[in-house]
Amino acid sequence: SQKIEQNSEALNIQEGKTATLTCNYTNYSPAYLQWYRQDPGRGPVFLLLIRENEKEKRKERLKVTFDTTLKQSLFHITASQPADSATYLCALEGSGNTGKLIFGQGTTLQVKP
Amino acid sequence: GAVVSQHPSRVICKSGTSVKIECRSLDFQATTMFWYRQFPKKSLMLMATSNEGSKATYEQGVEKDKFLINHASLTLSTLTVTSAHPEDSSFYICSATPLTDTQYFGPGTRLTVL
Repeated sequence: SQKIEQNSEALNIQEGKTATLTCNYTNYSPAYLQWYRQDPGRGPVFLLLIRENEKEKRKERLKVTFDTTLKQSLFHITASQPADSATYLCALEGSGNTGKLIFGQGTTLQVKP
Repeated sequence: GAVVSQHPSRVICKSGTSVKIECRSLDFQATTMFWYRQFPKKSLMLMATSNEGSKATYEQGVEKDKFLINHASLTLSTLTVTSAHPEDSSFYICSATPLTDTQYFGPGTRLTVL
């Protein structure tokens, strides 16, 4: 079955540094992958979508890569700020072209001033 | 754009009562809506997929008679937790999608069953 793994340990970095979060998946070849941000007690907020034929996508200080050979996506936040502290969820397109998403467990990022 | 609302944001009820949660897409028509539940420090678990005008499709292990879903229009889906018990206490989140691959999430509903 499809499996998604994100580093369950919290990532602590200093303000201004680049945060890099990892999403690995197995037993599947999704047509696209998405990253969401979730703050405590709130619903996820869409950040970026990257398709299987795209190697890299950027949006302001965010960058996502998608390596279909390694079955891995990396999510980077450059010049990180304390306001970037949140849990970041990786989500893959589910099988069957139903629009379903399968979520990883998320990685919590803490940016210290 | 792409705003999804949920109501109520928080509900506390007694065991055995039913609770209805509404999910609305405010500025787009949602052909499909999804319902998730999330336990503390855990990821989102998909409960069901709801398409306007048809019966919801439930994920394996989710009781359809327990969690009633109605998708009456292109902007409204409701989830009713029937005869709620303490183990149903959770964070319920809906999402809606127009004709794209992206899901837009509501703010969530915290259900506490006493």
